[in-house]
Amino acid sequence: EAGVAQSPRYKIIEKRQSVAFWCNPISGHATLYWYQQILGQGPKLLIQFQNNGVVDDSQLPKDRFSAERLKGVDSTLKIQPAKLEDSAVYLCASSLGVYNEQFFGPGTRLTVL
Amino acid sequence: QKEVEQDPGPLSVPEGAIVSLNCTYSNSAFQYFMWYRQYSRKGPELLMYTYSSGNKEDGRFTAQVDKSSKYISLFIRDSQPSDSATYLCAMSAISNAGKSTFGDGTTLTVKP
Repeated sequence: EAGVAQSPRYKIIEKRQSVAFWCNPISGHATLYWYQQILGQGPKLLIQFQNNGVVDDSQLPKDRFSAERLKGVDSTLKIQPAKLEDSAVYLCASSLGVYNEQFFGPGTRLTVL
Repeated sequence: QKEVEQDPGPLSVPEGAIVSLNCTYSNSAFQYFMWYRQYSRKGPELLMYTYSSGNKEDGRFTAQVDKSSKYISLFIRDSQPSDSATYLCAMSAISNAGKSTFGDGTTLTVKP
């Protein structure tokens, strides 16, 4: 069974630029999560989707971050404009449902200069 | 104060040692307790999952939850070099089981 796919794996941008990350969850998984993991810290949930609806986005900085999950499958996370403190690994995870095991992708490592 | 505090480490042990990894938490609503293992440049993978209090064993791994003390532990017996990784505890409440709050991780090195 294929795992969660993410691209790109690495991205370097200047501050104030825009960036987008893509996630393809495991087939059939209804729940999709985006996490931010700053170096030396645990993952922090940014947004949780159930199919294509948002369940929780309380920790998403909505002035600069946006996410969508069209057709309840793939998802994109966008940052516009980026700040230095956005440098982190952005992890996507998926699960069959909210009570099921979350499977994580390899992450996208973002460096903002 | 963070909702979940994890012993920071790093931890370095010889092969075959027993390892104890610990987390404390402040949110009484947490009912689901998880331990993840994260290798360098990889996403976390679920190791152990416990609901409410008690012990759970899976091979060389034992997870313990003490809700009265708001304290959870992961024990690794007969540690192997392949166990070298960062271990993350995570917790969630019944009201939003998908919203896990993670500790900051403990990096373990098992030396041959």
